[in-house]
Formats: sequence, C-alpha cells, structure tokens
Amino acid sequence: KAGVTQTPRYLIKTRGQQVTLSCSPISGHRSVSWYQQTPGQGLQFLFEYFSETQRNKGNFPGRFSGRQFSNSRSEMNVSTLELGDSALYLCASSKGTSEADTQYFGPGTRLTVL
Amino acid sequence: AQSVTQPDIHITVSEGASLELRCNYSYGATPYLFWYVQSPGQGLQLLLKYFSGDTLVQGIKGFEAEFKRSQSSFNLRKPSVHWSDAAEYFCAVGANNAGNMLTFGGGTRLMVKP
Repeated sequence: KAGVTQTPRYLIKTRGQQVTLSCSPISGHRSVSWYQQTPGQGLQFLFEYFSETQRNKGNFPGRFSGRQFSNSRSEMNVSTLELGDSALYLCASSKGTSEADTQYFGPGTRLTVL
Repeated sequence: AQSVTQPDIHITVSEGASLELRCNYSYGATPYLFWYVQSPGQGLQLLLKYFSGDTLVQGIKGFEAEFKRSQSSFNLRKPSVHWSDAAEYFCAVGANNAGNMLTFGGGTRLMVKP
C-alpha cells in the first residue's frame, strides 16, 4: 500500500512569511504526528492528531499549529517564519490505537527560511 | 518526562564486523522503545520495537536489540555489518497515555569501512 506522502518536498521562504505543509497518511491510519529535525536540536515532537483532535503537543511556540481533516490528512502551519525554523519537517502516521503502534514516516519537507 | 541518550555521535566499523549502538532512556514505568534508521534524504524506517514480553527483540535487516531494565538500556546490535547499513540510527521512547508521541535520542551516525 502507498506510504506516507508529504508535500511539498522542498520550500524556500523568507522571514516573516507563513507556510503550510501537508501530510497524507497511510490508508486506514488515524494518527498523524509531526516532528522537526534540525542538526542542532535533533528530532523534536511538534504535535499529534488523532481523529481530527490534537492529542499531544510538544514544546513549540504558538506560531506552529496544525489540523487534521476527516480523511486523516493533516496540515501544519508555521506563521511569522524565523531563520531558526529552517528544518526538515517529518510527519508520521499510525493506527493510533496503542502507544506501541508502529509509526511510518514520510520523506519530509525541507523548509529553508532566508 | 522521558528522555533518551545515545552516547555515540559517530561510529565507524569495518564491513563484516559486529555492531552495537548504545541507547539509554529515562522513564519511570515500562517504556515503549523503538529503533529507527534514516538514510540520507529519506524519512525514518522502523527497525524494531519493544513494549513487553521477551527482552531480546528481532528486527528487520538482521538487527536485534535487548531491553535491560536494570541498566535503562536498549542497545541495538548486528553481528555482521554491510556497507548498506551506513546511515543514522535513532533510538526513541514512547510513554503510557502519551498517544504516539516519541522522544528521540540525538542519533548515531554509522560509517562502514570497506
């Protein structure tokens, strides 16, 4: 079956702009999580959505937000971009019914903020 | 809150040699433990996971890991490394009632010498 897809794969924005990233989970998966990966901070959890509700949230400022649609597709939005937001943004999907569920990661969206 | 430490940032091994990547976690209860691998420009792929039962877990690509509660460790091993194993490896921990939120270690970059 098709894996997790993320669009776009690459983005270049300037400071102060906003950006929306999209994630389509594996069919049948109801949980989508987002992670930020940077060389300095590593992989950090942003938030998780399950059945259109935010179930968990990481320690990121309010400029980072997300949502999930009824078909489980998810978007994350970053407003007022800062240089430090340059990162690889990964989404992962799972069934969402257990903490032991395998999460399947997409290839990521590479965001560069100039 | 849970945390994960991967003490080795870089490891170089010769092809055919054995491998052990270290992972130490901090969590008050029985954790959910995962090892992921990331090849350049790609997302993360699950190698194996532990959440209960036998403390020696077998994964894909010939990898195994052993959960040692007394040492708060979940080290990844492979008896004979192949050049294609060169990648970055991440240990992660999940927690009870935390949905699918994962806390990742800083990663270990594996290089394989011919």
